[in-house]
Amino acid sequence: TQLLEQSPQFLSIQEGENLTVYCNSSSVFSSLQWYRQEPGEGPVLLVTVVTGGEVKKLKRLTFQFGDARKDSSLHITAAQPGDTGLYLCAGGDAGNNRKLIWGLGTSLAVNP
Amino acid sequence: DTAVSQTPKYLVTQMGNDKSIKCEQNLGHDTMYWYKQDSKKFLKIMFSYNNKELIINETVPNRFSPKSPDKAHLNLHINSLELGDSAVYFCASSQDRRQFPLHFGNGTRLTVT
Repeated sequence: TQLLEQSPQFLSIQEGENLTVYCNSSSVFSSLQWYRQEPGEGPVLLVTVVTGGEVKKLKRLTFQFGDARKDSSLHITAAQPGDTGLYLCAGGDAGNNRKLIWGLGTSLAVNP
Repeated sequence: DTAVSQTPKYLVTQMGNDKSIKCEQNLGHDTMYWYKQDSKKFLKIMFSYNNKELIINETVPNRFSPKSPDKAHLNLHINSLELGDSAVYFCASSQDRRQFPLHFGNGTRLTVT
């Protein structure tokens, strides 16, 4: 059974700090998606990475896909209260392109 | 202008009742999904329809029955509701069956008392 472990599970930081969230597995994924979910809303896609070693930047957010396509990280620079939310990673099953494996999420609180 | 809309937003009902949740997408996508998010925020896929055809049917009790009248609509009917059914149910859509990427609705919070 494929699993995606996210760490840390909870993170509470002050505005302006940097942070990194990790998404790890022992399985290879065809792609890796990152979503952010705010209270009372559905997850919203932030980025999709598909190539091993790929780095994508979205303003203050930097996403990296591991060389072996088994892990990914999300780094936020100078976090703001608006970054608060649940960050979810989801990996595309390399053997079954219809299957998506979800992590348990990282709940981030950025305090002003 | 909402891309994926689902109703109702909140649903409070008693054990044993039957209830339905409706979902509509205006993105022109071929594939729609029902996901369940439990109290620990874990997202678990329940069903997927591609162009009205059921393509994913995870281990879900028979009390849950999806129905897709056309590719823009996917409804979920739940019979004989149980306490354990309490969760947030999300509808989602994607361009095709690869779930790449997913567009989610804002969820229906179901509370069974």
